[in-house]
Amino acid sequence: DGGITQSPKYLFRKEGQNVTLSCEQNLNHDAMYWYRQDPGQGLRLIYYSQIVNDFQKGDIAEGYSVSREKKESFPLTVTSAQKNPTAFYLCASSFRPSGHLDPNTEAFFGQGTRLTVV
Amino acid sequence: DAKTTQPNSMESNEEEPVHLPCNHSTISGTDYIHWYRQLPSQGPEYVIHGLTSNVNNRMASLAIAEDRKSSTLILHRATLRDAAVYYCILRGGGATNKLIFGTGTLLAVQP
Repeated sequence: DGGITQSPKYLFRKEGQNVTLSCEQNLNHDAMYWYRQDPGQGLRLIYYSQIVNDFQKGDIAEGYSVSREKKESFPLTVTSAQKNPTAFYLCASSFRPSGHLDPNTEAFFGQGTRLTVV
Repeated sequence: DAKTTQPNSMESNEEEPVHLPCNHSTISGTDYIHWYRQLPSQGPEYVIHGLTSNVNNRMASLAIAEDRKSSTLILHRATLRDAAVYYCILRGGGATNKLIFGTGTLLAVQP
């Protein structure tokens, strides 16, 4: 079955440690996105990538880093510079026909990783 | 990025229709109107999207105002499983095509 997979579902880390969240999709989508969600809030865009080896900062990129070495993978690293890393992290992907991002396509989301830093 | 405005919360009774409004007065001509919903502790799920004409699918209907400055998501018969946060999002073309989420509408469905 095609889909987008985030792992692990729950992650605990000590303060000051970097941690990498996994996002894999087998939908052959070019565009991938990372969001952060805090309790009772909407989703905020961290980073997005339109194509392999390219990515752009979203609204809250400070303290995060990403890579896009393969089409199907878009890992997010939460660094020790992120002041409030405890949150629910969501990854998404969407199709990019004809080499252009098409607003007439839906995005698919993973089930999220809940990161707790103690 | 064009912004959307939704009520913070709404209530409905099971088996009744629900109309979830969204205002987007700064929408541009190429922006599509997308709706997603999110159940607790899950990733958002696509519901429906449209540009100008009303749209129907197995989950819902989308009614778009003639001037496109507002839209309404219609759930024809609410069930308890429809209780979720519903997000109305404008998705434009161009180089970025970001999905920008607002705070959404929390829909409560009473049995």
